[in-house]
Amino acid sequence: SQKIEQNSEALNIQEGKTATLTCNYTNYSPAYLQWYRQDPGRGPVFLLLIRENEKEKRKERLKVTFDTTLKQSLFHITASQPADSATYLCVLLPTGGFKTIFGAGTRLFVKA
Amino acid sequence: SQTIHQWPATLVQPVGSPLSLECTVEGTSNPNLYWYRQAAGRGLQLLFYSVGIGQISSEVPQNLSASRPQDRQFILSSKKLLLSDSGFYLCAWSVQDKAFFGQGTRLTVV
Repeated sequence: SQKIEQNSEALNIQEGKTATLTCNYTNYSPAYLQWYRQDPGRGPVFLLLIRENEKEKRKERLKVTFDTTLKQSLFHITASQPADSATYLCVLLPTGGFKTIFGAGTRLFVKA
Repeated sequence: SQTIHQWPATLVQPVGSPLSLECTVEGTSNPNLYWYRQAAGRGLQLLFYSVGIGQISSEVPQNLSASRPQDRQFILSSKKLLLSDSGFYLCAWSVQDKAFFGQGTRLTVV
């Protein structure tokens, strides 16, 4: 069956360190993969998109990598801050598809 | 700029009562519109999507229905709520590669 998996355990890191979140998928050929941020009780907010032919994408302190061989995307936040604490969702759109598939998200806690 | 409005933010309804959640989008025309439900610790589950007025596709069989009476209006309804309908409901619209979400409605069926 098709699955998209994110680490269900919360990630706790110290302020200033780099946070790395993992997204693995099976039985998909994504046209692209997105990352969203969701705060408690709020709707997700789009952060970054990376296409199947791209290896890496950066935006300020954020970096996303996409390995279609490993079927994995890594999401990095460098110089993390307590304000980065949130749930981060991995989302993919299968090639030729219309509907995006959401992962359950990983909760990140950044301690001051 | 484009904005999406979803209301109400919270709702407590008794079992068997009707439901109507409304979502409107401003600043864009003919958007693709979506209703999602999010259970605690779970990913977003797509309930309905619409590519145009009166065009609704249902993803999962359930006690809910959706309608799109106007280009930028999307409504989620139920005639009789069940306890299992409780959850966090999100409306979204998309253009090209990005989706934009409303603030969500926390529905509690008691």
